Amino acid sequence: EAQVTQNPRYLITVTGKKLTVTCSQNMNHEYMSWYRQDPGLGLRQIYYSMNVEVTDKGDVPEGYKVSRKEKRNFPLILESPSPNQTSLYFCASSNYNEQFFGPGTRLTVL
Amino acid sequence: ILNVEQSPQSLHVQEGDSTNFTCSFPSSNFYALHWYRWETAKSPEALFVMTLNGDEKKKGRISATLNTKEGYSYLYIKGSQPEDSATYLCAFLGQGGKLIFGQGTELSVKP
Repeated sequence: EAQVTQNPRYLITVTGKKLTVTCSQNMNHEYMSWYRQDPGLGLRQIYYSMNVEVTDKGDVPEGYKVSRKEKRNFPLILESPSPNQTSLYFCASSNYNEQFFGPGTRLTVL
Repeated sequence: ILNVEQSPQSLHVQEGDSTNFTCSFPSSNFYALHWYRWETAKSPEALFVMTLNGDEKKKGRISATLNTKEGYSYLYIKGSQPEDSATYLCAFLGQGGKLIFGQGTELSVKP
């Protein structure tokens, strides 16, 4: 089944404790992206990658890192999470057509 | 700063009504315009990807048009049903690969 998977789905953590949210797709898509969704602000792109070893900043990259060492994986890294990073995060992939979204990760930073 | 605007922010209609929403986007550096349907507690699902000026796409009772020269797209729903209730998002894909979403139009269809 073609899909985008994210883990974990839910995470509660504390300020400053490094965390990684994994994202994997099995559709051989070149384009992968991370978004955060906050009430009243819609979906905002954090980082995107157009191919292996190629990553670019989206609209809200501060406080996040990504890597694209293999085509299928695009992890999102929060080196030192802060409460303003509490949000719903979506990973997505595409071949420059429609985006396929993962199920979302709800992150709470205390 | 690239901006994608959607209007209205929310819409309440009766079952059977036809409705439409607007998405405004930058007219330069255009690669594609996406429409997504987003139900509560689910992930966004693609409705249309439009690339050519004058494009019209249709899926069942939902259709969309695209004007890249003036920077707008319309989404139409004919004969709205309660199951059409969702947030409808448009997204502008620039030639550099950055995808910018509008804030969405929240549609509520009452039986």
